[in-house]
Amino acid sequence: GENVEQHPSTLSVQEGDSAVIKCTYSDSASNYFPWYKQELGKRPQLIIDIRSNVGEKKDQRIAVTLNKTAKHFSLHITETQPEDSAVYFCVEGNTDKLIFGTGTRLQVFP
Amino acid sequence: KAGVTQTPRYLIKTRGQQVTLSCSPISGHRSVSWYQQTPGQGLQFLFEYFSETQRNKGNFPGRFSGRQFSNSRSEMNVSTLELGDSALYLCASSSLSLNYGYTFGSGTRLTVV
Repeated sequence: GENVEQHPSTLSVQEGDSAVIKCTYSDSASNYFPWYKQELGKRPQLIIDIRSNVGEKKDQRIAVTLNKTAKHFSLHITETQPEDSAVYFCVEGNTDKLIFGTGTRLQVFP
Repeated sequence: KAGVTQTPRYLIKTRGQQVTLSCSPISGHRSVSWYQQTPGQGLQFLFEYFSETQRNKGNFPGRFSGRQFSNSRSEMNVSTLELGDSALYLCASSSLSLNYGYTFGSGTRLTVV
């Protein structure tokens, strides 16, 4: 299947540290880039999204950046907490397709 | 406001059988999309329905099909089940389109034996 390139696949940080997850997409026509958090045994939940007309968006401890030229977008979590532990998926989207990243398992140790 | 509801939650089927999964979107949402989640392939887009019409389709064989009813409820059907079809099938709904905020259901875990 198709996947967005997502790195790293696993990430372990100490509580209070920052975490960064990076994705690379392929289609310059893609214009919607949401991020989903999936806790073990639960449904994916939208945590933040960004559109192609915006370079950066922030919501409390979470921020996303988008570089259209390089086709890169990133998720930044500051002051991480144990409840941030989950699998995070980036998504490349437009009106006729959605392609998910391979996921990053984030573990935050107290 | 009720969320996206998927039934059943768990299902065990035998190879060669067929299966139908159901999804009720958030009230007022007209776009319903389906995804397959497996450890090996991650989350893969199956198809999207809007106003009873399939609007977009991922790269899955014809054994995977779906439909949407006038009340926006959607069903997904998999015929001639294979062992590799074992997965968590997720449904998501949106008020507009794939590039608009969408909410996932809890999924149906299908096991093919």
